[in-house]
Amino acid sequence: DVKVTQSSRYLVKRTGEKVFLECVQDMDHENMFWYRQDPGLGLRLIYFSYDVKMKEKGDIPEGYSVSREKKERFSLILESASTNQTSMYLCASGIQGAEELFFGEGSRLTVL
Amino acid sequence: GDSVTQMEGPVTLSEEAFLTINCTYTATGYPSLFWYVQYPGEGLQLLLKATKADDKGSNKGFEATYRKETTSFHLEKGSVQVSDSAVYFCALKARGYNKLIFGAGTRLAVHP
Repeated sequence: DVKVTQSSRYLVKRTGEKVFLECVQDMDHENMFWYRQDPGLGLRLIYFSYDVKMKEKGDIPEGYSVSREKKERFSLILESASTNQTSMYLCASGIQGAEELFFGEGSRLTVL
Repeated sequence: GDSVTQMEGPVTLSEEAFLTINCTYTATGYPSLFWYVQYPGEGLQLLLKATKADDKGSNKGFEATYRKETTSFHLEKGSVQVSDSAVYFCALKARGYNKLIFGAGTRLAVHP
């Protein structure tokens, strides 16, 4: 089975802190994605990557950056967390050109 | 831009009732369409998909038909169970693109 693992299920951080969310997939997928999930808004794409060291902005990249140094790992970075970044963050991976995405269980971030 | 609109929830049903969750989309060209499901405490998983007009996707008793003329992909199930309680997301993927665009999600609660 494909497994997408997110490092932290729950995090509580303070405004201004730097936050790292890690995601690892074990199926050698080329594509990896970071979404945030908010009630009434569904999932919105923050960034995605189609290869190592490659990244593209999604629909809401402001306040975020990403890193993909190895194929299996895709990190989301909040340089200076703000309260409006309190959300559920979902990582996903998929084969290049394929239809299906595989999701992790999510990381619920609270910024105080 | 491309978008997906779902009926607002929550949808509350008794066990064995008929379920319909409406989904309409706006897209240029002919996207692929998906339903993903998120059970409590879990990540999203693909429920079913359809890649061209008049295709019917089906899985676990759920069905959805790709209707190009009405730009719709409504999810149906003839007899829901308590275990179907979850959040359901409609999504599209435009041809030639890697990313999925999601609707806001519809929460389904099934009571015994």
